[in-house]
Amino acid sequence: ETGVTQTPRHLVMGMTNKKSLKCEQHLGHNAMYWYKQSAKKPLELMFVYSLEERVENNSVPSRFSPECPNSSHLFLHLHTLQPEDSALYLCASSPLVWAGNEQFFGPGTRLTVL
Amino acid sequence: AQSVTQLDSHVSVSEGTPVLLRCNYSSSYSPSLFWYVQHPNKGLQLLLKYTSAATLVKGINGFEAEFKKSETSFHLTKPSAHMSDAAEYFCVVSERNQAGTALIFGKGTTLSVSS
Repeated sequence: ETGVTQTPRHLVMGMTNKKSLKCEQHLGHNAMYWYKQSAKKPLELMFVYSLEERVENNSVPSRFSPECPNSSHLFLHLHTLQPEDSALYLCASSPLVWAGNEQFFGPGTRLTVL
Repeated sequence: AQSVTQLDSHVSVSEGTPVLLRCNYSSSYSPSLFWYVQHPNKGLQLLLKYTSAATLVKGINGFEAEFKKSETSFHLTKPSAHMSDAAEYFCVVSERNQAGTALIFGKGTTLSVSS
């Protein structure tokens, strides 16, 4: 295990639902990330947090809302999603937001939007 | 901007034969490069990384990669494939931006291993 956990592992939701994805890291890292992994496409970076402050938002639709209450926890709040938002959502952490740092990934949440 | 190209979307080998997964990158400065592996229904696991030290990098599970600046390549190799190596492999280059850093992922190469 990498020390990064994600819940739930699978989620099915309708377009009018509101749900949240949770990520927790037990590594003492200061940076956390959300990625979207769609079939046949490269991983897409969605959000970056460093010391609980958002430092990157890659033009993600507002129906995705991140929250980082402390350096160990990261949430992704979902509302009024579209079927094309169905994907594997991966959380990652690293000691610092720095080019040479490797990132440690959680197992992901498989999201299906009906 | 940095980018990474994985030249093969799918590689098939027999158990016990060598593995070669190809990756080319573009970068305006000395990059950090990584290979990650993703087994079905699992997250990504780091295999190895290059950060301007030795050009031949050894990783876990017998994998290694060689950084060749003149060819802008970072190919992943293993002398003898094992059935458990069947997975998706991602070549990754780091990019500096306003936030500090971002990882740029290739599209992935699916490795199949037959007995």
